[in-house]
Amino acid sequence: AQKVTQAQTEISVVEKEDVTLDCVYETRDTTYYLFWYKQPPSGELVFLIRRNSFDEQNEISGRYSWNFQKSTSSFNFTITASQVVDSAVYFCALRVNTGTASKLTFGTGTRLQVTL
Amino acid sequence: DTAVSQTPKYLVTQMGNDKSIKCEQNLGHDTMYWYKQDSKKFLKIMFSYNNKELIINETVPNRFSPKSPDKAHLNLHINSLELGDSAVYFCASSQVRMVGNEQFFGPGTRLTVL
Repeated sequence: AQKVTQAQTEISVVEKEDVTLDCVYETRDTTYYLFWYKQPPSGELVFLIRRNSFDEQNEISGRYSWNFQKSTSSFNFTITASQVVDSAVYFCALRVNTGTASKLTFGTGTRLQVTL
Repeated sequence: DTAVSQTPKYLVTQMGNDKSIKCEQNLGHDTMYWYKQDSKKFLKIMFSYNNKELIINETVPNRFSPKSPDKAHLNLHINSLELGDSAVYFCASSQVRMVGNEQFFGPGTRLTVL
């Protein structure tokens, strides 16, 4: 069975601070994908990044960066110089490669509050 | 331009009623999903259809019946609504054979059962 743990339920930071959202996953499969989604107050789910299990390169996209470490089964997400617009619930998710039976297993989410 | 659309966005109804939520995707994807997000924001898959065939059916009460008339549509019908059905329901789609197979989500339907 797959499991995703986001131990931080809520984080509050002041604008311009850096913040890291933790994600730890469990799976016995050797081939899998990890995702981060953002859910702003408006409620939609916005895809941020996908990483497959064979690609441990870190990725940077603007103020966002992701650190994937298979040794610790972690896929952490860092926002540099946070802004008020980053306030949202962030979900980490795992998908194993099972052909057509594809489903995302989500973590419980981390609510990020960025204040002025 | 909307990739995955759902109607209605809000649905308020009484216990015991039957209601439907519609989902359409214009991405040409072959797989569609229904997820439920409860009041604590926990997201869990309910159903998945690939080419109109049911391939994932989690432990969902049989009051919930998905219907996929074609690859671009996946509707969710709920009979005898209960208070515990109040949640946000998200539809999603993906292309199974696409690398990564990321799922694109609709805007959600907030269902409130009184």
